Amino acid sequence: QSALTQPASVSGSPGQSITISCTGTSSDVGVYDYVSWYQQRPGKAPKLLIYDVSNRPSGVSNRFSGSKSGDTASLTISGLQAEDEADYYCSSYASSITLVFGGGTKLTVL
Amino acid sequence: EVQLLESGGGLVRPGGSLRLSCAASGFTFSSSGMSWVRQSPGKGLEWVSAISNSGSTYYADSVKGRFTISRDNSKNTLYLQMNSLRAEDTAIYYCAKALRGIFITFDYWGQGTLVTVSS
Repeated sequence: QSALTQPASVSGSPGQSITISCTGTSSDVGVYDYVSWYQQRPGKAPKLLIYDVSNRPSGVSNRFSGSKSGDTASLTISGLQAEDEADYYCSSYASSITLVFGGGTKLTVL
Repeated sequence: EVQLLESGGGLVRPGGSLRLSCAASGFTFSSSGMSWVRQSPGKGLEWVSAISNSGSTYYADSVKGRFTISRDNSKNTLYLQMNSLRAEDTAIYYCAKALRGIFITFDYWGQGTLVTVSS
């Protein structure tokens, strides 16, 4: 099972909105609504931001939102803040009972 | 408070073995699916293996036949037995708790333990 495709990097200024894409196939993102997004700061463990495409766990800011269209899922961060600078990973359940992650996207807040 | 504490990492030669442990607390361990996820230095995340609350096991193709996941619900501990280790197994290994089900989403992660495979 191949990894999901994410842009290597994105950037934005404080207050702006950015979107990170996560492209899979008809064997994962395209067929299952089990896409999750994680934030990872340097030297730290990943933190769950979004699950089941668009659901936020309690305690996660509503500035983070998720969506999906076809084989591509997206994470949008609105009202960008300096503390959002981190790496972001998507994941999806896939056929053959496996879980695939994206390669990760480094977000830089300018 | 949910806590996951990994241990057992270290330096091992290619072909060697290592056993990782993950001590869990703050939730009903016996009811939760658990996984191991690894991250090679400077690289992305890779799901390695999962175990259901009833003991069913699942593996990534890259480790199938070499790694064995297990759990001891009486000790609230998750394990990963790693045999025939290769250089490409070098990574930080995270223990992760499933939000629900077996391994679709992880709501808690440990801080990780580093495994280095090198001669």
